[in-house]
Amino acid sequence: AQSVTQPDIHITVSEGASLELRCNYSYGATPYLFWYVQSPGQGLQLLLKYFSGDTLVQGIKGFEAEFKRSQSSFNLRKPSVHWSDAAEYFCAVGAPAGGGSQGNLIFGKGTKLSVKP
Amino acid sequence: ETGVTQTPRHLVMGMTNKKSLKCEQHLGHNAMYWYKQSAKKPLELMFVYSLEERVENNSVPSRFSPECPNSSHLFLHLHTLQPEDSALYLCASSQVVSTGALYEQYFGPGTRLTVT
Repeated sequence: AQSVTQPDIHITVSEGASLELRCNYSYGATPYLFWYVQSPGQGLQLLLKYFSGDTLVQGIKGFEAEFKRSQSSFNLRKPSVHWSDAAEYFCAVGAPAGGGSQGNLIFGKGTKLSVKP
Repeated sequence: ETGVTQTPRHLVMGMTNKKSLKCEQHLGHNAMYWYKQSAKKPLELMFVYSLEERVENNSVPSRFSPECPNSSHLFLHLHTLQPEDSALYLCASSQVVSTGALYEQYFGPGTRLTVT
């Protein structure tokens, strides 16, 4: 069965500092991986996705993520955090429809990011 | 309107009320989803409609009843809810092909439901 672990519930970084949010997944084949961001009172916005190919994926708002098969990880990074990045971040894994999969996404519990001035 | 919209944004209802949540997607997608988001719990998938047919119901209590009249609209009918049903209810849509592909889901802003 697919699963996603985000080990950090809450992270605080200083504005301008670099950021790395961790995500580990469990899936038997090459997964489809996603990072979403949720601002307070809002829905989830897609930051980036990995389906295949280059393991370093660029997303919106200056975020990137790297797929590492050997570590079953898909960590999210940003070189310099802005105060507006304060939000909750969700990693998700999915499998293509077919072969018993409905093509749904499994979400992690999220990591809340606080940014201090 | 663009993307995925949800109404109402906030809803307070008593345990004996009947209400409905509405979701509309303007993306031309053919699959729609209802999720429940509670504090300190991961997103819970409640219902999936693909090509207007319900394909998954993750053991959701019968007091929640979904309806998908066409590929652009999704409803969640609520009746005799419990206080523990208070949560943010999120709607999402995606493009789904029958096999071999998975596409990202696009989310609406959610309806904040409070059951008193």
